[in-house]
Amino acid sequence: AQSVTQLDSHVSVSEGTPVLLRCNYSSSYSPSLFWYVQHPNKGLQLLLKYTSAATLVKGINGFEAEFKKSETSFHLTKPSAHMSDAAEYFCVVSERSNYQLIWGAGTKLIIKP
Amino acid sequence: DADVTQTPRNRITKTGKRIMLECSQTKGHDRMYWYRQDPGLGLRLIYYSFDVKDINKGEISDGYSVSRQAQAKFSLSLESAIPNQTALYFCATSEGGQVINQPQHFGDGTRLSIL
Repeated sequence: AQSVTQLDSHVSVSEGTPVLLRCNYSSSYSPSLFWYVQHPNKGLQLLLKYTSAATLVKGINGFEAEFKKSETSFHLTKPSAHMSDAAEYFCVVSERSNYQLIWGAGTKLIIKP
Repeated sequence: DADVTQTPRNRITKTGKRIMLECSQTKGHDRMYWYRQDPGLGLRLIYYSFDVKDINKGEISDGYSVSRQAQAKFSLSLESAIPNQTALYFCATSEGGQVINQPQHFGDGTRLSIL
């Protein structure tokens, strides 16, 4: 069965420093993986997706993620945090064998001035 | 105007009441979804519909029902609301094709409180 684990419920970084949000997945088949962002009192927006093409995926707002099959990881990174990045981030996995998206529990990103 | 619109945005009601949450979209997508979000649990799928005549149960459909009135409209009903259905509810849409490759587009959510 597929599952997603976001390893940190909260991550706090200073503005201008790198961001790392960690995600591990479990999947029986070749998965597709997504990162979504949720700003306070708003819906969810797609940041980026991996669908078996290049393992390094670039998304919006300077974020990127690297698919590492050997580590079953899909960590989200950004070189320099901005105050507007403060939000909750969700890692999502989907298998080719069924329709479902399986959501991680989320990581709250806090940006310190 | 938002591409995916949910109404109401907030609702407080009492145990045992019937409640309907509505979702409409202007994206022209065939596929629509209802999720609930609880703190620390991420999103869980309640129901999904791949077209007007195709409705399927998700992970947590008990206590809920849906209606796909048209391609653009997908409503969620709680027949007899109970307090543990207090949550943030999201409607989403996606294009057809291979499900796994299609990103989903979300409304801003409905915050539902059941007393």
